[in-house]
Amino acid sequence: RKEVEQDPGPFNVPEGATVAFNCTYSNSASQSFFWYRQDCRKEPKLLMSVYSSGNEDGRFTAQLNRASQYISLLIRDSKLSDSATYLCVVNTGFQKLVFGTGTRLLVSP
Amino acid sequence: DTAVSQTPKYLVTQMGNDKSIKCEQNLGHDTMYWYKQDSKKFLKIMFSYNNKELIINETVPNRFSPKSPDKAHLNLHINSLELGDSAVYFCASSPVPGNGNTEAFFGQGTRLTVV
Repeated sequence: RKEVEQDPGPFNVPEGATVAFNCTYSNSASQSFFWYRQDCRKEPKLLMSVYSSGNEDGRFTAQLNRASQYISLLIRDSKLSDSATYLCVVNTGFQKLVFGTGTRLLVSP
Repeated sequence: DTAVSQTPKYLVTQMGNDKSIKCEQNLGHDTMYWYKQDSKKFLKIMFSYNNKELIINETVPNRFSPKSPDKAHLNLHINSLELGDSAVYFCASSPVPGNGNTEAFFGQGTRLTVV
């Protein structure tokens, strides 16, 4: 089993749609969690950290369920500029950041 | 100012050659990483250094040798390059996770093509 698993997609959605991505992780001792965004031929960049209480940043909402070892990202009112690959990232300890394979999102007009 | 910079951006070389990729960060971070992103876009950690000391070595072949002359630099030297080494190599840095915040900042990547 992979340490961090994501549905690779692609998710094709129209502008304005709401889309949700899920991620599961295998190491129950994992300490912190993130969503990163990677545009084509670019480096990954932090989108948001994920906290147990859930957190929101504008149109983006992230949730963490430690009991189920499950992380989610919700994007509301999708924009064309949201098209990218979304990477679920888990700090499994000892400063080791493990990346999921990424979920590709395509937002169309 | 570029926070994490790596050079070169592109590298095309023949099998069997030896090459180096340089990385520098000006964020004052203590931890630096090398990641490899293969053709399937999977980002896999290779090495992690904390204050010039090796912390993580993810069963990378001995042909890959990281070197950290100081905590702001982490270079990657690759000997006897093979076709399978073709990938994008990303350098990254993060602060010491004193408060659990281990956000990593990435360089722009080095696209290595071995022919």
